[in-house]
Amino acid sequence: QKEVEQNSGPLSVPEGAIASLNCTYSDRGSQSFFWYRQYSGKSPELIMFIYSNGDKEDGRFTAQLNKASQYVSLLIRDSQPSDSATYLCAVTLALQKLVFGTGTRLLVSP
Amino acid sequence: ETGVTQTPRHLVMGMTNKKSLKCEQHLGHNAMYWYKQSAKKPLELMFVYSLEERVENNSVPSRFSPECPNSSHLFLHLHTLQPEDSALYLCASSLGLAGGHGELFFGEGSRLTVL
Repeated sequence: QKEVEQNSGPLSVPEGAIASLNCTYSDRGSQSFFWYRQYSGKSPELIMFIYSNGDKEDGRFTAQLNKASQYVSLLIRDSQPSDSATYLCAVTLALQKLVFGTGTRLLVSP
Repeated sequence: ETGVTQTPRHLVMGMTNKKSLKCEQHLGHNAMYWYKQSAKKPLELMFVYSLEERVENNSVPSRFSPECPNSSHLFLHLHTLQPEDSALYLCASSLGLAGGHGELFFGEGSRLTVL
């Protein structure tokens, strides 16, 4: 089992819709969870982090964490073509090791 | 300049060449990282330095040799590489070690092609 798993996509959504990106992780002891966005040809940039169960909202982005199910998701409301990118989930495993998933490619069509 | 800068942005080298990648951070951070990004693979941590001391080396082949002369600069020395080493090499920094609550700030990357 991979330490951090994401569907590679592409996930295609129309402009204005809600995009839902999912990530599962293997280590029940994980404490910190991050979402990075990577545009094609660019480097990753952090857009959200979450440490506690539940939802965390920042503008059009909502991160959701369910530690019992070992599941973290990112919701993007009112998706825009400029949101088209690869979204990387990263999780802090035991011994403070930060591990990335392979990323989900999101395509938002006008 | 601000943020994390990497040079060169693109590098083509033969298997017998020796080259170096350079990274500089202007954020006052204490930790610096080298990551390798290959197509369809997760970001792969190569080396971590905290306050100029190497704290992690993820079983990276010895043909990759890191150097951290101070908390603002990080180098990756390359020699006798293999074609499978062709990838995007990303430098990152964080205020503390990113395993905790640290946010990683990435450079734009050095695209390496080994012929």
